Amino acid sequence: EDQVTQSPEALRLQEGESSSLNCSYTVSGLRGLFWYRQDPGKGPEFLFTLYSAGEEKEKERLKATLTKKESFLHITAPKPEDSATYLCAVQAISRDDKIIFGKGTRLHILP
Amino acid sequence: EAQVTQNPRYLITVTGKKLTVTCSQNMNHEYMSWYRQDPGLGLRQIYYSMNVEVTDKGDVPEGYKVSRKEKRNFPLILESPSPNQTSLYFCASSSHTDRNEQFFGPGTRLTVL
Repeated sequence: EDQVTQSPEALRLQEGESSSLNCSYTVSGLRGLFWYRQDPGKGPEFLFTLYSAGEEKEKERLKATLTKKESFLHITAPKPEDSATYLCAVQAISRDDKIIFGKGTRLHILP
Repeated sequence: EAQVTQNPRYLITVTGKKLTVTCSQNMNHEYMSWYRQDPGLGLRQIYYSMNVEVTDKGDVPEGYKVSRKEKRNFPLILESPSPNQTSLYFCASSSHTDRNEQFFGPGTRLTVL
């Protein structure tokens, strides 16, 4: 069964304390892996798409990487405004155009 | 401004009373999708549409209907709502050339009593 698992469920960091969020996936053929950010009471906002193992994408303090089994979202020197829920999603070749989301990681950056 | 709009934003209704949640996008996107978000379960895809008159089931389609008569609109219909459909609903759209970059609407919080 296709699955997406994110860890940890929640993470509290001090401002400036770098860390990584994990997204592990089990799909029969990956078409793409996506990262979104969701603020409370709002719809998710697209961050990155990764297509193949070894690929990396960066945006400000965020960097996403992909291996054959998992993806990491690295947050370097985070600021309080980086506090949000980060969602990982995958699109599998076997699932046509359906998209599976993980349950997310709630990130809280303390000033 | 490029956006996805949903109406209503909040709705409280009773079991069995048919309702429609509208979704509209102004970006000329081909792909549109509906999700529900529940605590502990995350975002789950209900239905999606690749283009006008083309719709497909997602992972949780039971109890829902959709239609895609125009490119910009993708309404979600609950013919006979039940309490287990109480949830936060999101509509999303993306282009064929960049299908993975979905733009999400602001959400509709539905409560079925």
